[in-house]
Amino acid sequence: GAVVSQHPSRVICKSGTSVKIECRSLDFQATTMFWYRQFPKQSLMLMATSNEGSKATYEQGVEKDKFLINHASLTLSTLTVTSAHPEDSSFYICSATSGGAKNIQYFGAGTRLSVL
Amino acid sequence: RKEVEQDPGPFNVPEGATVAFNCTYSNSASQSFFWYRQDCRKEPKLLMSVYSSGNEDGRFTAQLNRASQYISLLIRDSKLSDSATYLCVVTLSGGYNKLIFGAGTRLAVHP
Repeated sequence: GAVVSQHPSRVICKSGTSVKIECRSLDFQATTMFWYRQFPKQSLMLMATSNEGSKATYEQGVEKDKFLINHASLTLSTLTVTSAHPEDSSFYICSATSGGAKNIQYFGAGTRLSVL
Repeated sequence: RKEVEQDPGPFNVPEGATVAFNCTYSNSASQSFFWYRQDCRKEPKLLMSVYSSGNEDGRFTAQLNRASQYISLLIRDSKLSDSATYLCVVTLSGGYNKLIFGAGTRLAVHP
């Protein structure tokens, strides 16, 4: 199956710093990439949808100025958590799809962010 | 009402047991349906797509009832390695193929 690489897998940072997470599709061109957040014992919640070369579409309640998404190429999307605070501590997961009738999304391994 | 609802479990079953998970979705415009499994602190992995005609993959059988907006997953002959959280996922019609996740049902298979 298709491979999506997400980096870093684990981040521990001080409150107020910014953290960048990368999501790469390694063996296919991802027309669309998605960013999710998952708090303990809860469902994955979609934060935003990004298409290469255009602005991301954010879900209701997600601050676009705090969670900056860049999708500069068909194989790379980045999520930057700006001025992170302890309540931003969560598991962030990206996924990518090349489109098509089967509508399969391939997930990265996730990034566990802990803000002290 | 949540868009995708699942019994959170946990389901504790012995090896070899048959276990069934249920899921309901609220939006009748839902277009595609999936079961994913998620191990603790890992990303979700696609287990199988779900079709109206029902489909089977080895020990796993998935069913979809569009009229009742109900999806099921049956696991036969449970293995220890089946222990995980099973996520019911739907997509809505329209662009971008947005996935809507249920909160998951946790399965623990014991010897």
